[in-house]
Amino acid sequence: AQKITQTQPGMFVQEKEAVTLDCTYDTSDPSYGLFWYKQPSSGEMIFLIYQGSYDQQNATEGRYSLNFQKARKSANLVISASQLGDSAIYFCAMRVPGKAAGNKLTFGGGTRVLVKP
Amino acid sequence: DGGITQSPKYLFRKEGQNVTLSCEQNLNHDAMYWYRQDPGQGLRLIYYSQIVNDFQKGDIAEGYSVSREKKESFPLTVTSAQKNPTAFYLCASSITGTSGRRRGGYNEQFFGPGTRLTVL
Repeated sequence: AQKITQTQPGMFVQEKEAVTLDCTYDTSDPSYGLFWYKQPSSGEMIFLIYQGSYDQQNATEGRYSLNFQKARKSANLVISASQLGDSAIYFCAMRVPGKAAGNKLTFGGGTRVLVKP
Repeated sequence: DGGITQSPKYLFRKEGQNVTLSCEQNLNHDAMYWYRQDPGQGLRLIYYSQIVNDFQKGDIAEGYSVSREKKESFPLTVTSAQKNPTAFYLCASSITGTSGRRRGGYNEQFFGPGTRLTVL
């Protein structure tokens, strides 16, 4: 069974500094996808970045980058130059592979980030 | 402008009553999903549907039911059999085929704004 672990329940970060959010995963399947979502106080989930298990390079999207270490089964999210609007809960998720799985996602417990001015 | 809508935003229910949460999308996505989120926790999958008139149970389907009569709509009914229904419910949709590095190309799920259900 797939499992996602986020060990940091909450953290503070100073505005304009970088922050790294930890995510480790467990799967026996060689093909998988990893996602990061942001959940602001409004509750809606916002897709940030994706990393495929066979991707040769670490994913980047603007201020978001993914430190993908396949051997360690970790996919840490790095947010550079933090902004006040980055305050939210961040979730790591893994897609269960296979057509029969229906593109299902398994989510970690989330990390709450509070950016201080 | 395409998206997913959920209604109502807040819902109150008396114990023993069934209640239906609405989810509509105009993204032309084949797949739709229902998740439950409890305070301080991640999302757990209730039901999902890959195509009209077909759906599968997720990890916590007991006490819930769904229908998928139209591509755009995937309503969730919380029945009286659900022992602890107070939670935040999120609906999502996605495409079901890979199509490159455009929006939706990772089959990422797009989420609605959620419905907060409280049982009185």
